[in-house]
Amino acid sequence: NAGVMQNPRHLVRRRGQEARLRCSPMKGHSHVYWYRQLPEEGLKFMVYLQKENIIDESGMPKERFSAEFPKEGPSILRIQQVVRGDSAAYFCASSRDREAFFGQGTRLTVV
Amino acid sequence: QKEVEQNSGPLSVPEGAIASLNCTYSDRGSQSFFWYRQYSGKSPELIMSIYSNGDKEDGRFTAQLNKASQYVSLLIRDSQPSDSATYLCAVNFFSGSARQLTFGSGTQLTVLP
Repeated sequence: NAGVMQNPRHLVRRRGQEARLRCSPMKGHSHVYWYRQLPEEGLKFMVYLQKENIIDESGMPKERFSAEFPKEGPSILRIQQVVRGDSAAYFCASSRDREAFFGQGTRLTVV
Repeated sequence: QKEVEQNSGPLSVPEGAIASLNCTYSDRGSQSFFWYRQYSGKSPELIMSIYSNGDKEDGRFTAQLNKASQYVSLLIRDSQPSDSATYLCAVNFFSGSARQLTFGSGTQLTVLP
């Protein structure tokens, strides 16, 4: 049973470009969380999704950021018009019930 | 605002000692409690989950939960240098179909050989 898969592992974008981060949950998991982590800091909640629904996006910046979890395919975190402050590690976690398991993360660098 | 608080450390213990990590949470409705370990540059790894008051043991790890005091702890017995990592406390709040998995800021543990 494969774990949570995130890709790409590393992503470099120039300021103003779009970043698209993908997360494939573990088999049978219908809940996905996205977190952002800056160096030497904790995990900051961004958004919680179930299949085809955004349940809680209270941690998501109001502009430039969006997330989806379609019926088929991975969950996508999209960052439009990236700025240097978006450079961070982005982790997704999936869950079937209570326990959540993390992917390896995407390290986004904005140059 | 649901909060999870941890001592940021750093916490240093000698090899073979017991490391004790603590966490408090703000919402009495919290139902599930977790400890994750995160090595530098890696993703968090689930090491313990606990759902009811009392102790839960798994190998060298013991999680303790006291819902009345809104307190959860992790004990690591016979600490090894490989246990050196940041330990994250996480709390799951349920509300209808929604759930929030909120993390503390983590405690950095160093086990000295």
